[in-house]
Amino acid sequence: EAGVVQSPRYKIIEKKQPVAFWCNPISGHNTLYWYLQNLGQGPELLIRYENEEAVDDSQLPKDRFSAERLKGVDSTLKIQPAELGDSAVYLCASSFSGGRLVDEQFFGPGTRLTVL
Amino acid sequence: AQSVTQPDIHITVSEGASLELRCNYSYGATPYLFWYVQSPGQGLQLLLKYFSGDTLVQGIKGFEAEFKRSQSSFNLRKPSVHWSDAAEYFCAMFSGGYNKLIFGAGTRLAVHP
Repeated sequence: EAGVVQSPRYKIIEKKQPVAFWCNPISGHNTLYWYLQNLGQGPELLIRYENEEAVDDSQLPKDRFSAERLKGVDSTLKIQPAELGDSAVYLCASSFSGGRLVDEQFFGPGTRLTVL
Repeated sequence: AQSVTQPDIHITVSEGASLELRCNYSYGATPYLFWYVQSPGQGLQLLLKYFSGDTLVQGIKGFEAEFKRSQSSFNLRKPSVHWSDAAEYFCAMFSGGYNKLIFGAGTRLAVHP
């Protein structure tokens, strides 16, 4: 079974440039999560989707960050414009939520973003 | 406030030695607790979880964890560490109020041959 796929794995950009990350969850998983992991820290939730609906985006900085999951499968997270402080690892995770909130989340390898 | 604390940022053990990684939580009710491992360049992998019942939980790769309500702890243990266990370990708690996982800052484990 294929795991959560993320691309690119690494991205280096200059500040003020846009950047996008892509995530393809495990087949059949209806819940998708984007996390931010700063160096030396644990992941922090940015946004959670149930199918195509963003049910929790309270931690997403909406002035520069946006996300979409148009068909309820793969998802894109965008930053525009990027700032130096956005340098971090962006993790995607998915789970099958059968009506429960606590379901095992499967994580992708992440995208390491460096903003110069 | 709901939080997860991992007091040890970095731990070094010798191969074959026993291991205990500490995790403390702050939560108003019985929490759902998890341990994840993150190897370099890899995503987080679930080692084990505690929802209820037996307070000693067995996981994959020979790991176990014990939930102690009186100490608000969920420490991870392994009787004999292998070099391949070198990685970063994260304790996490599911927050029902916020409907999300709250992670600790992680403990980086180094294993000496």
